[in-house]
Amino acid sequence: KAGVTQTPRYLIKTRGQQVTLSCSPISGHRSVSWYQQTPGQGLQFLFEYFSETQRNKGNFPGRFSGRQFSNSRSEMNVSTLELGDSALYLCASSLAWTSTDEQYFGPGTRLTVT
Amino acid sequence: AQSVTQPDIHITVSEGASLELRCNYSYGATPYLFWYVQSPGQGLQLLLKYFSGDTLVQGIKGFEAEFKRSQSSFNLRKPSVHWSDAAEYFCAVGAVQAGTALIFGKGTTLSVSS
Repeated sequence: KAGVTQTPRYLIKTRGQQVTLSCSPISGHRSVSWYQQTPGQGLQFLFEYFSETQRNKGNFPGRFSGRQFSNSRSEMNVSTLELGDSALYLCASSLAWTSTDEQYFGPGTRLTVT
Repeated sequence: AQSVTQPDIHITVSEGASLELRCNYSYGATPYLFWYVQSPGQGLQLLLKYFSGDTLVQGIKGFEAEFKRSQSSFNLRKPSVHWSDAAEYFCAVGAVQAGTALIFGKGTTLSVSS
């Protein structure tokens, strides 16, 4: 079956703009998690959605938000972009809301803020 | 504070030689432990995981890891490295209370020399 897909794969934005990234989980998976990956901070958990509800949130400012739709697809939004938001944004899907269920990662969206 | 430390930023191993990547964690709850691999331009792939039971776990691609509670370690090993193993490796920790949120180490880049 198809893996986790993320769109777009690459994105260039200007400081102050906002951006929306999309993640389509593996069919049947109901949990979607988002991570930010930067050379300096590594992989950091952003938030996780299960059945359209945010279940967990990492330590990121309110400019970072997300949502999940009834078909389990998820979007994350970053408003008022800053240079430091340049990163690879990864989403992962799993069957349920527990880390004992294997998480399958997408290829990521590379966001560059200029 | 909860954290994962991978002491080695970069390791070079000769093809056919053995490999050990180190991982130490600090986590208040009973941890779930994972090793992921990331190849350039791709998302993360789960190599193996430890939840409970036998402290030596086998994973894909010939990798294994040993959980040592007394040392708070979960080192990854492979008896004979192949050139295709060159990638970045991440150790991660989770817990039942944290849902799918994982705390990742900063990663170890593995280079394989011929």
